[in-house]
Amino acid sequence: AQRVTQPEKLLSVFKGAPVELKCNYSYSGSPELFWYVQYSRQRLQLLLRHISRESIKGFTADLNKGETSFHLKKPFAQEEDSAMYYCALNYGGSQGNLIFGKGTKLSVKP
Amino acid sequence: NAGVTQTPKFQVLKTGQSMTLQCAQDMNHEYMSWYRQDPGMGLRLIHYSVGAGITDQGEVPNGYNVSRSTTEDFPLRLLSAAPSQTSVYFCASRANYGYTFGSGTRLTVV
Repeated sequence: AQRVTQPEKLLSVFKGAPVELKCNYSYSGSPELFWYVQYSRQRLQLLLRHISRESIKGFTADLNKGETSFHLKKPFAQEEDSAMYYCALNYGGSQGNLIFGKGTKLSVKP
Repeated sequence: NAGVTQTPKFQVLKTGQSMTLQCAQDMNHEYMSWYRQDPGMGLRLIHYSVGAGITDQGEVPNGYNVSRSTTEDFPLRLLSAAPSQTSVYFCASRANYGYTFGSGTRLTVV
């Protein structure tokens, strides 16, 4: 069965430090992976999609099919990056459903 | 273009009451879905729809009903609210670039 695992519930770093939020997935097909960010009590916002290979707000993520991972990285964390981050897997194509990890709360200290 | 709109933003229900959470999108998306967000659980899929007249169950459908009479609207009905349905509910629709979420409905059942 498909599954998304985010092993860290909380990640705390200092401003300017590198950040890596881990995401591992289990899926036998060709995955479509996303990172969503949720600032305090707001809607989920799309941060990255693995196909686009863009860098949004300084964040990047590379799909590693061999390790079944899609880790989110940023070289220098900012205080405004403090938020909840969710990794999500679409397992059903263009009309498919998302399955989410349980999320990692990132706290960036001044 | 308002995106995905959810109403109400907050609601308190008594056990056994019924209510409908509204979700509307103006982007002509065929795919829409409902998730609930609970602390430590991430987001879990309740119901989804791939077009008008077509709905299906997700991971946690018990206690919820949906219908899809138009492309724009996808209401979620609680027939007899229970304290276990206290949660934040998010509606989402699918675009080519990914999934767009509404701002959520925070529901408390007492």
